[in-house]
Amino acid sequence: DAGVIQSPRHEVTEMGQEVTLRCKPISGHDYLFWYRQTMMRGLELLIYFNNNVPIDDSGMPEDRFSAKMPNASFSTLKIQPSEPRDSAVYFCASSFYGQETQYFGPGTRLLVL
Amino acid sequence: AQKITQTQPGMFVQEKEAVTLDCTYDTSDPSYGLFWYKQPSSGEMIFLIYQGSYDQQNATEGRYSLNFQKARKSANLVISASQLGDSAMYFCAMRERRSGGTASKLTFGTGTRLQVTL
Repeated sequence: DAGVIQSPRHEVTEMGQEVTLRCKPISGHDYLFWYRQTMMRGLELLIYFNNNVPIDDSGMPEDRFSAKMPNASFSTLKIQPSEPRDSAVYFCASSFYGQETQYFGPGTRLLVL
Repeated sequence: AQKITQTQPGMFVQEKEAVTLDCTYDTSDPSYGLFWYKQPSSGEMIFLIYQGSYDQQNATEGRYSLNFQKARKSANLVISASQLGDSAMYFCAMRERRSGGTASKLTFGTGTRLQVTL
């Protein structure tokens, strides 16, 4: 079975540009999580969805960040406009209710110049 | 206050030896879960093992076992018979279950970098 799929794997962009990160959760999973990993702050949850509905977005750093989940098999995390401090690895993870484990995608390494 | 504390930033272990990675946690929720993830240099997060707060027995998965001491609020990972491929960052994480039973977020520790030597 395919795991969580993320694209792109690497993204280099210039400050001010829009960045869109994509995630396809494991089929059948009804929870989807977006995390960010930096050296300074470690791994932190940005937002999570249940059945395509955002449940907790308290970790989203500011209005420049937005996330959507239009259907059960696709989610996006958008940064507009991007800033150098957004440089990080962004992970998507999924799970289903009744199973505790979150399975992570390979991550997107974002560099904003 | 830190919810998950990993006090060992780095550890060395010789190949074929066992190693214990420490993790302590803080929660007032009676129902919670504890996880360990491995992050090799390639960057992916790999699930290793899970322990529920009500589980009577310590979790085991192959060479991984979780030494769960509920009264001390510790959930140490034990890796037996270390292999070179075990060299990686290891993260302890906790899930607290909110009332209503909905899934809740994971809170991660800062990680321990394990280096396995010949």
